[in-house]
Amino acid sequence: DQQVKQNSPSLSVQEGRISILNCDYTNSMFDYFLWYKKYPAEGPTFLISISSIKDKNEDGRFTVFLNKSAKHLSLHIVPSQPGDSAVYFCASTTSGTYKYIFGTGTRLKVLA
Amino acid sequence: EAQVTQNPRYLITVTGKKLTVTCSQNMNHEYMSWYRQDPGLGLRQIYYSMNVEVTDKGDVPEGYKVSRKEKRNFPLILESPSPNQTSLYFCASSPSKALHNYEQYFGPGTRLTVT
Repeated sequence: DQQVKQNSPSLSVQEGRISILNCDYTNSMFDYFLWYKKYPAEGPTFLISISSIKDKNEDGRFTVFLNKSAKHLSLHIVPSQPGDSAVYFCASTTSGTYKYIFGTGTRLKVLA
Repeated sequence: EAQVTQNPRYLITVTGKKLTVTCSQNMNHEYMSWYRQDPGLGLRQIYYSMNVEVTDKGDVPEGYKVSRKEKRNFPLILESPSPNQTSLYFCASSPSKALHNYEQYFGPGTRLTVT
């Protein structure tokens, strides 16, 4: 049972436009959510996170939105740049546990 | 430079031959964890450790062992590897969750092939 789902395996976006990556979860106990970016032959790197007490968190070009009632979060990248081309993973955890559940990833390609 | 290192980076072995993948971090992090990445399955947590001598199972612990005798090291042990353990493995570490918002720092990965 996949508790964290990224239903779009891939996404292509023109440079300068907005990239929107989506993530759905089923476990209502999750209260912290993170996005990681992964380039080929490298480990994932942390991008941005959000606590369930918020519905939005912004860091430069990256914004994460959380809709708790829909159990849905999204990552917005504006404007998209070719260097953003990577695989993006969302991850969820519950406070007080040390377990993380990752989605299957979305491969973003930003076209110059 | 703050980092998580893994060795070896690539390994091809045969079924049943015990192996260890080492992981070390130089950031004095309390929390360390192992993941495997497989096509279509994303990253799945194998084991994690909250501190020295404290470890617990993640989602896919079968066939793996870990130990945490020192804060900086968290080796992953495959006592009798099988072909279904062919995967890309990542080690990660994190400082105290209360202070640093759960983000983890990942190593570069170890690609393991079991024939």
